[in-house]
Amino acid sequence: DAKTTQPTSMDCAEGRAANLPCNHSTISGNEYVYWYRQIHSQGPQYIIHGLKNNETNEMASLIITEDRKSSTLILPHATLRDTAVYYCIVSRWDNTDKLIFGTGTRLQVFP
Amino acid sequence: ETGVTQTPRHLVMGMTNKKSLKCEQHLGHNAMYWYKQSAKKPLELMFVYNFKEQTENNSVPSRFSPECPNSSHLFLHLHTLQPEDSALYLCASSQGIAGPNTEAFFGQGTRLTVV
Repeated sequence: DAKTTQPTSMDCAEGRAANLPCNHSTISGNEYVYWYRQIHSQGPQYIIHGLKNNETNEMASLIITEDRKSSTLILPHATLRDTAVYYCIVSRWDNTDKLIFGTGTRLQVFP
Repeated sequence: ETGVTQTPRHLVMGMTNKKSLKCEQHLGHNAMYWYKQSAKKPLELMFVYNFKEQTENNSVPSRFSPECPNSSHLFLHLHTLQPEDSALYLCASSQGIAGPNTEAFFGQGTRLTVV
């Protein structure tokens, strides 16, 4: 599976949009981009995934560049409860037994 | 509530003890996983089961023994552990290779301390 690169940490003011970047320059054509987050001492929580089109759900939006080498997770109105570690993972949709987590981005939302 | 339940939530055991961690899902999923998360480290995939068959063993020491009696239940049997095995053990499930909606759902984890 392709590797991903994320910033170690980011800060965001409450109520503002949080934009979390991820680089996956070696992504192959049949690999999806998945985002999960882990709030302290809890199990990871699925957020969103996409192949090449931008995706939006009730939690977040996922913007994937045209060349698919990078993506951005957008939390439109961050709250204190969004403070967590966010993981960007690349995997084939039919092979998600290979969900390999990296170190992620620690997002701190402040009042 | 994710639909994946792990018990116990906390466990303290001695190095000579034998204990088991239990994971249960009622989501109709066919794939189940064990992950280990040590302090300040990324999640490490340990075992994967698809349709009750083990499909991945990520070089896990034999003192960890998984068991998957059916698609809804997954166990991790522990014996003669070391203090460095202290960690958060997470169970997850997913639909498996059956379709595109294959996001994984995680339990809350078992916090294991080996003394």
